[in-house]
Amino acid sequence: DGGITQSPKYLFRKEGQNVTLSCEQNLNHDAMYWYRQDPGQGLRLIYYSQIVNDFQKGDIAEGYSVSREKKESFPLTVTSAQKNPTAFYLCASSIGATTLFLYDTQYFGPGTRLTVL
Amino acid sequence: QKEVEQNSGPLSVPEGAIASLNCTYSDRGSQSFFWYRQYSGKSPELIMFIYSNGDKEDGRFTAQLNKASQYVSLLIRDSQPSDSATYLCAVNGKGYGGSQGNLIFGKGTKLSVKP
Repeated sequence: DGGITQSPKYLFRKEGQNVTLSCEQNLNHDAMYWYRQDPGQGLRLIYYSQIVNDFQKGDIAEGYSVSREKKESFPLTVTSAQKNPTAFYLCASSIGATTLFLYDTQYFGPGTRLTVL
Repeated sequence: QKEVEQNSGPLSVPEGAIASLNCTYSDRGSQSFFWYRQYSGKSPELIMFIYSNGDKEDGRFTAQLNKASQYVSLLIRDSQPSDSATYLCAVNGKGYGGSQGNLIFGKGTKLSVKP
């Protein structure tokens, strides 16, 4: 089955710890994205990558880091510098630059719910 | 600051009625518009997208776009209790952050369909 997987589904972090959220896709999409969703809020873009070995900061990149070493994978690290990391984290992917931007549609993984203890 | 505005709701409609969800956006240069449905505790799933003025129908769903008024809406005909969810409007902000494909999301409208 083609799709986007995220793991773990639930993650608990102690203060001062770094944690890494996994995102994998087998849709052969070039572009991948990380969003954060807080209760009653819209999705806010953390980082995005249009191609392997390249990524850009979104609106709220402080305290987060990413890598894009493979087309299929876009892991997100939540560092201890992120002051309020408790949130629902969503990974998405889209075809990317090989299609007209007008049609570039994002599809979401199931999400990881991170709680800081 | 590019913005997408939605009424947070809740919007309550009886089963079988038409639910009308509205969204306005601030960037006149926006060109494609997406509706996602998000059940409580789940991730957003795409319902449909639209990029031309007018109506686009897909089953019980109709998206309506009016670029002059910077307004996009989603109509759900014959609403069912299973349609109860939060509906997110997203706008493609080409040039936003210098990259295509980046979406700006509204906060969503919570829809409740009563049996």
